[in-house]
Amino acid sequence: DAGVIQSPRHEVTEMGQEVTLRCKPISGHNSLFWYRQTMMRGLELLIYFNNNVPIDDSGMPEDRFSAKMPNASFSTLKIQPSEPRDSAVYFCASSLLDRGDGYTFGSGTRLTVV
Amino acid sequence: AQSVTQLGSHVSVSEGALVLLRCNYSSSVPPYLFWYVQYPNQGLQLLLKYTTGATLVKGINGFEAEFKKSETSFHLTKPSAHMSDAAEYFCGGTSYGKLTFGQGTILTVHP
Repeated sequence: DAGVIQSPRHEVTEMGQEVTLRCKPISGHNSLFWYRQTMMRGLELLIYFNNNVPIDDSGMPEDRFSAKMPNASFSTLKIQPSEPRDSAVYFCASSLLDRGDGYTFGSGTRLTVV
Repeated sequence: AQSVTQLGSHVSVSEGALVLLRCNYSSSVPPYLFWYVQYPNQGLQLLLKYTTGATLVKGINGFEAEFKKSETSFHLTKPSAHMSDAAEYFCGGTSYGKLTFGQGTILTVHP
């Protein structure tokens, strides 16, 4: 298995632009998670899906952030409009919920908003 | 709700010395607990996990952790540090499928 695949690895964009981050979970996993990592706030859970349905989005910072999971093999995290304070590393992870197997993380997308 | 606290944002040890990274959890239900390692510019890699059963859990790279319910702790140890262990370590716990992490501990290993 290729693991959790995130794209792009790096993204530099100008303030006000729309940014879309992509994630392909491990085949067979039924849960998908988006995290944001910054020096100030550490690892924050933004949203998670179970069987493609959003279960908890309480970590999404504000309405500028949205996430979708149209099918079991793809998810997106969109920021519109982007702001410099959104600069961070965004991780996607997938898991087989309730198995206690742990989450498998992607390599992350480093977002810089200038 | 589950919360996890890591004691000490930075730990420094000499090569060959014992590594001890501390983690405490709070939960109203028995949690699943995890330790992850993150090397620079990489994602998180699972070191070990506790779900049920044996409270002493062995992981990769010689690390182990002991689940102590009476102390609500899940500290990570390694008998002898290696230079390659230098990284950031995260303790995490799940509650209703939601994995939350402590703030992380940066481990520095000196020659």
